[in-house]
Amino acid sequence: QSALTQPPSAPGSPGQSVTISCTGTSSDVGGYDSVSWYQQHPGKAPKLMIYEVTKRPSGVPDRFSGSKSGNTASLTVSGLQAEDEADYYCMSFADSNKLVFGGGTKLTVL
Amino acid sequence: QLQLQESGPGQVKPSETLSLSCTVSGGSVSNTDYYWGWVRQPPGEGLEWIGNVCSNGNIFYKASLRSRVSMSMDTSRNQFSLMLSSVTAADTAVYYCARRGRNCFKTACFAFDYWGQGILVTVPS
Repeated sequence: QSALTQPPSAPGSPGQSVTISCTGTSSDVGGYDSVSWYQQHPGKAPKLMIYEVTKRPSGVPDRFSGSKSGNTASLTVSGLQAEDEADYYCMSFADSNKLVFGGGTKLTVL
Repeated sequence: QLQLQESGPGQVKPSETLSLSCTVSGGSVSNTDYYWGWVRQPPGEGLEWIGNVCSNGNIFYKASLRSRVSMSMDTSRNQFSLMLSSVTAADTAVYYCARRGRNCFKTACFAFDYWGQGILVTVPS
């Protein structure tokens, strides 16, 4: 199972929006409405931000939103704030009950 | 509030077996609405799913690790465990235990919603 493809970096200015893509195949991203997104600050455990493509857990700001088209999922962070600067990882359910992560994207707030 | 805590040695010799446990508090590993999983992260690199186990006996491993990995549960201690054999320096990583939703009507399906703080395991080269 190959890792999902994410851009290594995603810069944005405070108040702006930034979108991070996550590309897989029909065996993972395209085949299931299962993509989740995780935020990870340095030295910390990942935190769930989006699950089942578009759903936000309780406590996650509505500035974070998810979508999917075909084999590519996206995470959009609107109204960027300094505390949003972190690494972001997508994850998808895949054939044969497997899970696969993306390589991660470093979101930088300029 | 659910909490997960990894425990185990911080260093394992090459060719030996890495053994970690995850103790769960504030919830039960016997709850079949969830899988309990392991994810690792080599220093400076991304996340890698290792496998999931459920108290109903379902276990799933990453294909490339299948020959070396074993997971189990101890419901009496509310713990689940990871064993990784024949380790090399490439297995050096922070190992996280986490809970993953299984019942799509009641949980964050397919997603890891609670994580432990992680434990660094080093395999010297």
